Amino acid sequence: GDSVTQMEGPVTLSEEAFLTINCTYTATGYPSLFWYVQYPGEGLQLLLKATKADDKGSNKGFEATYRKETTSFHLEKGSVQVSDSAVYFCARIGGAQKLVFGQGTRLTINP
Amino acid sequence: KAGVTQTPRYLIKTRGQQVTLSCSPISGHRSVSWYQQTPGQGLQFLFEYFSETQRNKGNFPGRFSGRQFSNSRSEMNVSTLELGDSALYLCASSLGGSSSVGGTDTQYFGPGTRLTVL
Repeated sequence: GDSVTQMEGPVTLSEEAFLTINCTYTATGYPSLFWYVQYPGEGLQLLLKATKADDKGSNKGFEATYRKETTSFHLEKGSVQVSDSAVYFCARIGGAQKLVFGQGTRLTINP
Repeated sequence: KAGVTQTPRYLIKTRGQQVTLSCSPISGHRSVSWYQQTPGQGLQFLFEYFSETQRNKGNFPGRFSGRQFSNSRSEMNVSTLELGDSALYLCASSLGGSSSVGGTDTQYFGPGTRLTVL
């Protein structure tokens, strides 16, 4: 079935470090792909999305490229800040309006 | 434009009781989806409503039900609560319509309702 696999967390980095969070998905068709972020005590916020192969989604310094050949959608940021500390979820559309999520990666940035 | 709102934000119930959660979508959005978030199972899809009709359903028991009103507001109900129903329940809205068939519609989430079952 449809699934999304994220790199295991937690991830701890120092401020200004480079961030990569890996995400791969099962290749059923060409689903839209998303990254959502969840801050403590809050719901999910859409961070970025890509709807077709080779699309690059970007927002707030974060980027992810839809790679059909490797079925991946890795999240990257060149220089993280303390305020980026949160849980990040990779997701794909699993049919109609059903989002299928990865298990989430908890990111902590130390000053 | 106001975002997705959910009420109440927190609920405490006891086993066997029932509960109703409410979700108001972004103005103009006609699709509302519900998700359950738990530490053990992560984020799981419950169901989706569009134009007052359930269009998609996840793998949850019949104790979980929902409905959508003509103004696109949605409610979900959980009957005969169990300890395992303790979770954050998230509602998401999207435009729905033909774009959702191709999976390009974007869902925007509310802050969630934290349900604790004692």
